[in-house]
Amino acid sequence: DTEVTQTPKHLVMGMTNKKSLKCEQHMGHRAMYWYKQKAKKPPELMFVYSYEKLSINESVPSRFSPECPNSSLLNLHLHALQPEDSALYLCASSHPGGMTYEQYFGPGTRLTVT
Amino acid sequence: GENVEQHPSTLSVQEGDSAVIKCTYSDSASNYFPWYKQELGKGPQLIIDIRSNVGEKKDQRIAVTLNKTAKHFSLHITETQPEDSAVYFCAASPKAAGNKLTFGGGTRVLVKP
Repeated sequence: DTEVTQTPKHLVMGMTNKKSLKCEQHMGHRAMYWYKQKAKKPPELMFVYSYEKLSINESVPSRFSPECPNSSLLNLHLHALQPEDSALYLCASSHPGGMTYEQYFGPGTRLTVT
Repeated sequence: GENVEQHPSTLSVQEGDSAVIKCTYSDSASNYFPWYKQELGKGPQLIIDIRSNVGEKKDQRIAVTLNKTAKHFSLHITETQPEDSAVYFCAASPKAAGNKLTFGGGTRVLVKP
């Protein structure tokens, strides 16, 4: 099973709201990723967790706060977002390690900031 | 850092014909090259990948070729079907990049019945 699940599917939030995106995988992967995808563009890496520790932060604004509570779960906490943050947020997972392993993506959360 | 260019940006083919998408990369240290298919409203789906110690890989109607010297790799879809219509992304990853993928700009493929 190569399934990554994400909730919610759609989210509309105001600029003063606080919300969270959730991601879950049960493939035994120990690397998890957050990507942002704008319309008609490729995914852009935001964060990488390896063995539940943040290993890559692609200079993402602090209004995005990732969290990896355990090896199966990944959250993205959102606060004081801007309309330009509206996008599809994708979670992915893979085996970590010295070589590059296949990354499997979830269906994404469509976020609209009003 | 790595830079990946993908061509064409759109591709329209007749059902049953072949489709070819080409990507070039800049970092000679890249050694992993996946291809993803993204249908409308869905996340990217890994369809095939190739590593730098292999020149070609096939899986049923899809194949990928890699030319390390020229730093380019291609996706070939034979006997295209309407369900092949989607956006396809190539990507590259250097071994030391910590599983970081750099994506090409994407190719929108339309298979006309």
